[in-house]
Amino acid sequence: GAGVSQSPSNKVTEKGKDVELRCDPISGHTALYWYRQSLGQGLEFLIYFQGNSAPDKSGLPSDRFSAERTGGSVSTLTIQRTQQEDSAVYLCASSRDGTNQPQHFGDGTRLSIL
Amino acid sequence: KNEVEQSPQNLTAQEGEFITINCSYSVGISALHWLQQHPGGGIVSLFMLSSGKKKHGRLIATINIQEKHSSLHITASHPRDSAVYICAVARGAQKLVFGQGTRLTINP
Repeated sequence: GAGVSQSPSNKVTEKGKDVELRCDPISGHTALYWYRQSLGQGLEFLIYFQGNSAPDKSGLPSDRFSAERTGGSVSTLTIQRTQQEDSAVYLCASSRDGTNQPQHFGDGTRLSIL
Repeated sequence: KNEVEQSPQNLTAQEGEFITINCSYSVGISALHWLQQHPGGGIVSLFMLSSGKKKHGRLIATINIQEKHSSLHITASHPRDSAVYICAVARGAQKLVFGQGTRLTINP
């Protein structure tokens, strides 16, 4: 596709359930980022993938959060045993590589934990 | 203190006015990004710069590395420029640290 695609666009789930969020980056982009935008908190970095290198997981808030990137393309962010404080918009971005390049953002997944 | 500080937090102006949004940061960076977020959430990258000045249409971004400061200017502002403008700095491998954003409203 022409841009970064995220699915679902909205997800409502009950506290304690697991959720999976998907990101399909721009074709050929080797760098992929996950960010979170909580109400009143601004944007924060979660995790970064670059090519075949080990991901930078330094922004993941707890061990309930994990992400993988299969085949260097599609990425899945998984949140286990969701809590209400996980409610946020989860944004994915990709760039051509891990050097100084603009990042292209998807429209995000709005996650609501009841 | 946040690593990235933006000012003002909110700005309301009349159509046609010259707009300036400021960003200061406290850490070493490899690049600085200006992003635009419209109501509904989509984020668009406006500029990425590591020195000097860049211009795109009515938008101008400048950065002073020594002073750790960047500005985003909008000339001849228009109501469609109303959005949240976010400054973000890249450290090392391009993971971004974000400012809190500036909510800009341009009235006709």
